[in-house]
Amino acid sequence: AQSVTQLDSQVPVFEEAPVELRCNYSSSVSVYLFWYVQYPNQGLQLLLKYLSGSTLVKGINGFEAEFNKSQTSFHLRKPSVHISDTAEYFCAVTHTGNQFYFGTGTSLTVIP
Amino acid sequence: EADIYQTPRYLVIGTGKKITLECSQTMGHDKMYWYQQDPGMELHLIHYSYGVNSTEKGDLSSESTVSRIRTEHFPLTLESARPSHTSQYLCASTWGPNSPLHFGNGTRLTVT
Repeated sequence: AQSVTQLDSQVPVFEEAPVELRCNYSSSVSVYLFWYVQYPNQGLQLLLKYLSGSTLVKGINGFEAEFNKSQTSFHLRKPSVHISDTAEYFCAVTHTGNQFYFGTGTSLTVIP
Repeated sequence: EADIYQTPRYLVIGTGKKITLECSQTMGHDKMYWYQQDPGMELHLIHYSYGVNSTEKGDLSSESTVSRIRTEHFPLTLESARPSHTSQYLCASTWGPNSPLHFGNGTRLTVT
């Protein structure tokens, strides 16, 4: 079975500071990994995805994530956050493309 | 612009009413999903479908039912709404093993 752990439920960070949102997964097989962002009263929007190839993945809005197979991690980073980055962030994993497993989410708050 | 549409966006109804939440996608995806999202952000899979005339219950027990008569349409029905059904309901779809989930904007349901 697969599972996803987002250790930080809330992350406050000052504007223009860097941020890292952590995601660890458990799986005995190869997986596809995703990060989503959710703004208030909206659905989830894809930020970036790791399917294969380069372990450093770049997404929208200046975000990037690094796949680390040995540590089973897929942490999300941004070098300088903006107020508009305040949102909920979800990490997700799938092996077959049928069942997707989500973390419990991280609430990012950017402080002016 | 979203290719997966949910209506209504907001709904307030009384206990005991029957309701149907609509979900349609224009991408030709075979796989569709319904998630329930509680105030703590976590997503719970309540129903999924891998194609026409195929529906399955998800991990979270739900008193709702779904149907999949057409590829593009995946409605969710509550025969008798209760206050415990108050939540946000998200519909999603995907086409393949290395394809992400695409989400609608959600329906926020309040049962009084």
